[in-house]
Formats: sequence, C-alpha cells, structure tokens
Amino acid sequence: GAVVSQHPSWVICKSGTSVKIECRSLDFQATTMFWYRQFPKQSLMLMATSNEGSKATYEQGVEKDKFLINHASLTLSTLTVTSAHPEDSSFYICSASKAGIFYEQFFGPGTRLTVL
Amino acid sequence: AQSVTQPDIHITVSEGASLELRCNYSYGATPYLFWYVQSPGQGLQLLLKYFSGDTLVQGIKGFEAEFKRSQSSFNLRKPSVHWSDAAEYFCAVGANDYKLSFGAGTTVTVRA
Repeated sequence: GAVVSQHPSWVICKSGTSVKIECRSLDFQATTMFWYRQFPKQSLMLMATSNEGSKATYEQGVEKDKFLINHASLTLSTLTVTSAHPEDSSFYICSASKAGIFYEQFFGPGTRLTVL
Repeated sequence: AQSVTQPDIHITVSEGASLELRCNYSYGATPYLFWYVQSPGQGLQLLLKYFSGDTLVQGIKGFEAEFKRSQSSFNLRKPSVHWSDAAEYFCAVGANDYKLSFGAGTTVTVRA
C-alpha cells in the first residue's frame, strides 16, 4: 500500500497563533510531497511542492512566510501556518509521491483548521 | 499548463441507476488522468487512473472510465449506484511537472 497520514485531523486555534500540521508517509519513502488547500464546496488548490532536503516551491499567490513548509525526511513534511487568522481557516490536505513514480500522488486524510 | 473541466456541478441519481460523470481535460501531450472520490470531511481516495494502454480503465467500487483522446475526455461510469456512492468526485490531470490539476468537482446525491 501507500498510506499517508496527517496530524492533527482537526485543530482550533486563536487568531495570531501558529499551527503545525504533519504529513507522514507510513510505508514508503516520499521524495516529493504536496500541500493543498480546499475551501468548502470547492476543489483542491495546490499551495506548494516540497522535495526532501530542499526548499519548497510555492504556487503563485501563496505567501511563503505565512505557510512554512519543511520536508526534513523522506517520510515527513510539515506545514506551519504562522500568525493564523480566520481567513486561514480551511481544509489542508497533503499528498506524497514515491521515488521514481512522480505522476501518482497518495493523499492524506486532511486537517481541518479553524481559526477563531 | 494542463486544466480540467467537470461540466456537472451536481448530479442526482436514484439508487440502482447508472451514473456517468463527465471530465474534459486540456493538455498538449498524453496526460495522466485520475478520478478521486471524497466523502465529507475526508481526504481523497483514488478510484482509477489512466497512464497508457487500454483506454477503458477499471477501478475500485465498480467504477470504470474511458479515455477518448479525440474528445479530450475521461468520463467516469458506474452501472448501478449504491447509496454509499454519494460523495464528491474529482477528475484530475497530471503532467510532467509532477503536479496535478483538479476539476471543480461533481457532487453526487443518491436518492432512495
């Protein structure tokens, strides 16, 4: 299989605080991980792509300083939402691809972030 | 850049009836095509994928899809839907830049 987990599954925080979301590939090495954002009743929007040991590549319009991505190992990537505000409330989904199989992504279950 | 269009925002189908979800893509080369299903508050589950070869692809849960290059389409079908098929369905196209582009999604409602 190719299982991807996310932690936490949901989080509520106060405005101005930072929140870290973890994405782990449980049974394979993920050379590339992706972070998506999904608003209610909408599609997935790619935020950034990260390769292990490299800086993340952000999509146009995504604030690098707001959404910090770290891909420190072949099984773990983290997304930190810094100084969160209510407009950052969303469903965040990560995915991972295996080494040499770049065209297929395996998705995590998502993290629901609510900023009060 | 690649793109995906799912023309139907919402489809209602009776349990036991057939289902077809439309997907049109735009990409200059041979695309990698995917269908995912998402239940409320959940992540994405891969139903099926097309990379090359036979243009009729079988997936999980009784779904199939047909790649038609001439129509730039990759429509998803199921002969007989079950109440548990009610969900959001996303078509996606992948290209050589490792990224996936998703359609807007189609919500499927199943009535008894």
